[in-house]
Amino acid sequence: DVKVTQSSRYLVKRTGEKVFLECVQDMDHENMFWYRQDPGLGLRLIYFSYDVKMKEKGDIPEGYSVSREKKERFSLILESASTNQTSMYLCASTLGVNTEAFFGQGTRLTVV
Amino acid sequence: AQKVTQAQTEISVVEKEDVTLDCVYETRDTTYYLFWYKQPPSGELVFLIRRNSFDEQNEISGRYSWNFQKSTSSFNFTITASQVVDSAVYFCALSEANRDDKIIFGKGTRLHILP
Repeated sequence: DVKVTQSSRYLVKRTGEKVFLECVQDMDHENMFWYRQDPGLGLRLIYFSYDVKMKEKGDIPEGYSVSREKKERFSLILESASTNQTSMYLCASTLGVNTEAFFGQGTRLTVV
Repeated sequence: AQKVTQAQTEISVVEKEDVTLDCVYETRDTTYYLFWYKQPPSGELVFLIRRNSFDEQNEISGRYSWNFQKSTSSFNFTITASQVVDSAVYFCALSEANRDDKIIFGKGTRLHILP
């Protein structure tokens, strides 16, 4: 079974902190994604990556950056956390083009 | 533009009733893929089905069935004889073959199955 693992289930950070959310998949998937999920807004794509060291902006990239140094790992970085970045963050991976996504368990981030 | 609309924000039905979750999509491409995912209270999204734009046959899997109609750009999901374990948030999603493999999700429908 594909496993997508996010490093933390819950995080509490202070405003202005630099925050790293880590995601690892174990099935050699090409593509990886970061979404945030907010009530009433569904899942919104922040960034995605289709290859090592490659990244593409999603619909809401402002305030975020990403890093993919190895195929299995995709990190989401909040350079200076703000309270409006309090949310559930979901990582996903896909084997190839237009295939189904496998999701991690989510990280609920609270910025205070 | 790529868009997925799930007009039903929240639905409540009594156990054993049938329920249909609506999904309407917009795309400029002729080749695209549609998905449904389930998010139970535990939080992890679970893949349910993938359908390409050239396959309009309805799909049935146990109590679950999907009705894909290109003429109305809809991909609706029906649960027959609902059970309490079906309570979850359900997401419809779209990816276009000629784009950059983005998966665009609807806002989800929260389904409550009442005992």
